[in-house]
Amino acid sequence: EVQLVESGGSLVQPGGSLKLSCVASGFTFSNYWMDWVRQTPGKSLEWIGEINTDGSKTNYAPSIKDRFTISRDNAKSTLYLQMSNVKSDDTAIYYCTRRGGYYHAYWFAYWGQGTLVTVSS
Amino acid sequence: DIVLTQSPVLAVSLGQRATISCRASQSVSISSINLMHWYQQKPGQQPKLLIYRASNLASGIPARFSGSGSGTDFTLTIDPVQADDIAAYYCQQSRESPPTFGAGTKLELK
Repeated sequence: EVQLVESGGSLVQPGGSLKLSCVASGFTFSNYWMDWVRQTPGKSLEWIGEINTDGSKTNYAPSIKDRFTISRDNAKSTLYLQMSNVKSDDTAIYYCTRRGGYYHAYWFAYWGQGTLVTVSS
Repeated sequence: DIVLTQSPVLAVSLGQRATISCRASQSVSISSINLMHWYQQKPGQQPKLLIYRASNLASGIPARFSGSGSGTDFTLTIDPVQADDIAAYYCQQSRESPPTFGAGTKLELK
């Protein structure tokens, strides 16, 4: 069974930093591109960014570019999201997702339970 | 970015058919491949994949769910609606980066 378990969410002050983790199990982690998606309170879903299988390639949404960094440790089957210079607009539930499909024909096949990040002074 | 437009709310009766639409600001199809996907989200839970590539049922999803469409117009159909289907439904495109989601349609009981 595929499982994705996020952790690391908490209350953080504006301008602060936070690192989220996502531990994967039930599949060969190193074979899959992974993504982070967030959901703001009462709002829709927003893609944050992606990382390829060996961690050599990342892409980010313009809204968070240069503030967030996605990385992975395939030996630990763990995905990371390093958040810096956070703003109140970053308050959201952050989901780790595993893709299905390939190239453009991909979808978010599995989702973790999410971890809540609250940015407030 | 490709904008996906969904109606905010759809009210249905149990046992009836629900048709949820999603319109894209530009085509999300490449040749015959329709890069539109659907998710269900119940309160307090993470989203769950229902339909991928417009019409393919994800593993474990009941056959009362179906998807159709191409180009810019897509539909998720639930027939018949059961009490367990009361949730929010989101469409998502992967035709262009960044992948984008619709604002969601809340399925409510009449």
